[in-house]
Amino acid sequence: KQEVTQIPAALSVPEGENLVLNCSFTDSAIYNLQWFRQDPGKGLTSLLLIQSSQREQTSGRLNASLDKSSGRSTLYIAASQPGDSATYLCAVSSGANSKLTFGKGITLSVRP
Amino acid sequence: DVKVTQSSRYLVKRTGEKVFLECVQDMDHENMFWYRQDPGLGLRLIYFSYDVKMKEKGDIPEGYSVSREKKERFSLILESASTNQTSMYLCASSSLAEGGYNEQFFGPGTRLTVL
Repeated sequence: KQEVTQIPAALSVPEGENLVLNCSFTDSAIYNLQWFRQDPGKGLTSLLLIQSSQREQTSGRLNASLDKSSGRSTLYIAASQPGDSATYLCAVSSGANSKLTFGKGITLSVRP
Repeated sequence: DVKVTQSSRYLVKRTGEKVFLECVQDMDHENMFWYRQDPGLGLRLIYFSYDVKMKEKGDIPEGYSVSREKKERFSLILESASTNQTSMYLCASSSLAEGGYNEQFFGPGTRLTVL
């Protein structure tokens, strides 16, 4: 059974810092990996999707990498801003029906 | 842009009531999903559907049922609401695109409180 782990559960950084959020998964047979952002009390917003054949994806200040063989993904946020404060969730799809297994998320706080 | 809408943002119901949560997507997606999210437990899949009138149980289907009569609409039904079903309910949809292109899109969530 696929398990997804995100450590630490919470992170606080000063504004402007470059930071890396980690995600690990136990079964490397994945279709894709998605990173989501969730603001308090809201739904999930998809940030990046990396297919299993890809190594990384970029969108603006965000860069996500995937190392399937080691079961790891990282989300890199450049020049963090207070508006980046949110919970970031990683999820992997292990089948064609796109069922996702989620990590519990990392709650990021960017201090002005 | 893909849009997934849910019928209510907040809902308060009494124990024993029958509760309907509605989800509609406008991108002609084949797959639709219902999750619940609880502090410390994360997101857990309740049911999903890969076609009209088709459904499959997720990880925690007990106490829930679903209905998908039209492609764009997926309903979650709590036959007899209980206090342990107080939670945030999230609906999502995705296409059947091959090669891992099936990005999942979420609605805004329904915060259900059962008294």
